Amino acid sequence: GEEVAQTPKHLVRGEGQKAKLYCAPIKGHSYVFWYQQVLKNEFKFLISFQNENVFDETGMPKERFSAKCLPNSPCSLEIQATKLEDSAVYFCASSQDAGGNQPQHFGDGTRLSIL
Amino acid sequence: GESVGLHLPTLSVQEGDNSIINCAYSNSASDYFIWYKQESGKGPQFIIDIRSNMDKRQGQRVTVLLNKTVKHLSLQIAATQPGDSAVYFCAENMSHGQNFVFGPGTRLSVLP
Repeated sequence: GEEVAQTPKHLVRGEGQKAKLYCAPIKGHSYVFWYQQVLKNEFKFLISFQNENVFDETGMPKERFSAKCLPNSPCSLEIQATKLEDSAVYFCASSQDAGGNQPQHFGDGTRLSIL
Repeated sequence: GESVGLHLPTLSVQEGDNSIINCAYSNSASDYFIWYKQESGKGPQFIIDIRSNMDKRQGQRVTVLLNKTVKHLSLQIAATQPGDSAVYFCAENMSHGQNFVFGPGTRLSVLP
């Protein structure tokens, strides 16, 4: 599609439950990025993909967080055993390029609320 | 004027005036910069970009200035409108596959 599509818009989970977020990048974009935004401020980079391959996972918490981009499927970000501190808006972005030459285009995010 | 609030620096301007939003970036090796606009409940929206081989770039009602000597980026919005009210983020990137690093954001409030 012409826009990055993220689902669901809002996800509510009890502490300790699993949360799974989805992202469909813009058609033709081979790079996908996940960011976490807390309190409408800082964007924390989590992970990026080049097609279905992990490109950069330096921002990804080692425990509980995982992500995939499989062919012909939306990309996903999964959080196991959620904690209150995971409450944030998670943004997905896609780009034709790894980052140095083309802008990243963002979806409208998934607001994750952990109760 | 510009002030530091509890969470975000805020810039308040009168409708019709020009706005200047500033950003100090962190890495002298960064060579590609973007300004994003984020409205409430939305994702960041691309406004304008600039590469390090330029010091100025103009778009429709917006101008980005880059000063590599002091690692400073600014966004100028001409004839600010109520629809310009949002949080503005600068983002920097080095080439060769690095992810973007975002600045802390500035809230622009347009007064009627």
